[in-house]
Amino acid sequence: AQTVTQSQPEMSVQEAETVTLSCTYDTSESNYYLFWYKQPPSRQMILVIRQEAYKQQNATENRFSVNFQKAAKSFSLKISDSQLGDTAMYFCALLSSGTYKYIFGTGTRLKVLA
Amino acid sequence: SQTIHQWPATLVQPVGSPLSLECTVEGTSNPNLYWYRQAAGRGLQLLFYSVGIGQISSEVPQNLSASRPQDRQFILSSKKLLLSDSGFYLCAWSVQYGVYTFGSGTRLTVV
Repeated sequence: AQTVTQSQPEMSVQEAETVTLSCTYDTSESNYYLFWYKQPPSRQMILVIRQEAYKQQNATENRFSVNFQKAAKSFSLKISDSQLGDTAMYFCALLSSGTYKYIFGTGTRLKVLA
Repeated sequence: SQTIHQWPATLVQPVGSPLSLECTVEGTSNPNLYWYRQAAGRGLQLLFYSVGIGQISSEVPQNLSASRPQDRQFILSSKKLLLSDSGFYLCAWSVQYGVYTFGSGTRLTVV
């Protein structure tokens, strides 16, 4: 069975600081994708970043970057220069190639403090 | 531009009443469509997905059903709601593999 685990239910960070959200996963598939989604208080889920498992290079999107450790099955999200607008629930998700079903973690609630 | 509309935003329904949640997509054709449910303290659970008109796949046996009467319309229904059907329901679509666009969600409370 495929699983995604986010072991940090809540985190906080000071504005302008850097924070790392953890995610580990388990899959027997060789081809898969990993995602981080953000769900702000407005509740609309927004894609933050996407990583293809076959790519060794870590994905980056502006202030967001990942540390993808395939052997360790770890996929952490680093947010640099945190902003108040980054306050949200963050979900890690796994999608196996050839399937339509995301496997979501339980989320990490991040609060950015002024 | 591509947008997704989901309504209503909030719904309070009595036990045993029917349900109909609608989701429509604009600006794309033949999208894959999804219904997810989010329970408090838990991740999102895929309920149904559709890769074409009239094609519905169910992931979780439950009191709900889905239909896709048009290419860009996805409907979540129930004949008789249960208390356990309460939750936050999200519609999503994808064209590019794996990249979902989510709707704004419906908060359903069954009383």
